[in-house]
Amino acid sequence: EDKVVQSPLSLVVHEGDTVTLNCSYEVTNFRSLLWYKQEKKAPTFLFMLTSSGIEKKSGRLSSILDKKELSSILNITATQTGDSAIYLCAVVLADYGGSQGNLIFGKGTKLSVKP
Amino acid sequence: NAGVTQTPKFRILKIGQSMTLQCTQDMNHNYMYWYRQDPGMGLKLIYYSVGAGITDKGEVPNGYNVSRSTTEDFPLRLELAAPSQTSVYFCASSEQHRVADTQYFGPGTRLTVL
Repeated sequence: EDKVVQSPLSLVVHEGDTVTLNCSYEVTNFRSLLWYKQEKKAPTFLFMLTSSGIEKKSGRLSSILDKKELSSILNITATQTGDSAIYLCAVVLADYGGSQGNLIFGKGTKLSVKP
Repeated sequence: NAGVTQTPKFRILKIGQSMTLQCTQDMNHNYMYWYRQDPGMGLKLIYYSVGAGITDKGEVPNGYNVSRSTTEDFPLRLELAAPSQTSVYFCASSEQHRVADTQYFGPGTRLTVL
């Protein structure tokens, strides 16, 4: 069965710290990897990664994919309390992967940023 | 362009009651999905649809039914509510096979079954 594993499951840091969130995957037909930020409601899209080694950057957030290691990291520098959220990683399959559909989510990393 | 809308936002049901969660998208997307999210469990796919008139089971379909009579609407039906169905439900849609394909999520429905 295709799966996506995120670590750590939860993380508590102080404002100004830098954090690295991990996402690893085992899937049969990889197409792309997505990162989402989920605060109180629906997940909001952050990045889509399809090629290894190319960093995507948006402000203090950046992400990179390593297809050889079947993993991705999401970095947040100079964290702020507004970064507190659950960060979800999802892998898009190139076809519909049976009962799981074509988008496999990890369980998420809950990040808490203390003032 | 409202994107994906869901109603209701909150609902409390008694065991054995039934209800329909509504989902509508105005982006003319072919693909629509229903997920449930339990604490610490990511999102699990309940049902999905690849176009009007076509639906298929996801990972956790038991206790639910769907229909897709139009491109815009994808309601999720709970026939006999059980406490195990207490969860947050998200509807999503996506355009078929685009390079930058991402799913657009609705705001969610928080359902409690007592």
